[in-house]
Amino acid sequence: EVQLVESGGGLVQPGGSLRLSCAASGVTFSSYWMSWVRQAPGKGLEWVANIRTDGSEKYYVDSVEGRFTISRDNAKNSLYLQMNSLRDEDTAVYYCVTGPTGYRVDHWGQGTLVTVSS
Amino acid sequence: EIVLTQSPGTLSLSPGERATLSCRASQSVGSYLAWYQQKPGQAPRLLIYDASNRATGIPARFSGSGSGGTDFTLTISSLEPEDFAVYYCQQRDNWPPRLTFGGGTKVEVK
Repeated sequence: EVQLVESGGGLVQPGGSLRLSCAASGVTFSSYWMSWVRQAPGKGLEWVANIRTDGSEKYYVDSVEGRFTISRDNAKNSLYLQMNSLRDEDTAVYYCVTGPTGYRVDHWGQGTLVTVSS
Repeated sequence: EIVLTQSPGTLSLSPGERATLSCRASQSVGSYLAWYQQKPGQAPRLLIYDASNRATGIPARFSGSGSGGTDFTLTISSLEPEDFAVYYCQQRDNWPPRLTFGGGTKVEVK
C-alpha cells in the first residue's frame, strides 16, 4: 500500500519560512515524479510544483516561482517543499502527491495545513 | 496554458438520479484527462484516468467520456449517498509538465 505522510505545517507570519516534508512508502520512490498540490480553505485544488525522478528538473506555478523550492532525497524516500517569503494567500492544505505516469495523481497524502497570518 | 472549465458549479440531485458533470479544456489535451472525488475533510481520490478508464476499486456506476480532446464528461449512473461530494477534472501540459485542475463541481443532495 502506498503511503504519503506530510509534516511540517503550522502557523507562520507573513514573510516567514516553512519547510514541508513528505515521507513515502510502498512505492518505488526514485521512479516517480513527485508533486505538491494545495487547497486554500473552501477553495479548489491548485498544483504548486513538481520534480523529476532524479531531481534534475523542477517546475512551479507562477505564483510561487522564486519563493518556493521543491527537492527530494531518493535515499530517504522523501520529498520537500521549502517555502520562503510566505504570503496570506499561501494559506492552504498542502498535499504530497504522485502517480506512475506523471499525467495523473494516483496517490495523495493526508495533507498538512499551512496558515500564514499575523 | 490550458484552462479547464467545469460545469455546473453545483448539481442538486436526489439519490438514484443520474449525474452528468462537464469539463471543457481551452485547447486539446488528447485523452490525458483525469477525474477526482473529494469529500469534506479528506484528500481527493482518483476516479477516472485517460478520460475513460476507472481507477482501481472505483464502482462501475462512474464512467468517463471525451470528445475532440476538449470536451469531457463524468457520469454517475445512479447516485449513492456516498457520492455526494466535489468532483475535479485535471490535465497535465506536455511541456513544461504542469498540472491543471478545473474549478470543481459540487454534487449536493436535493
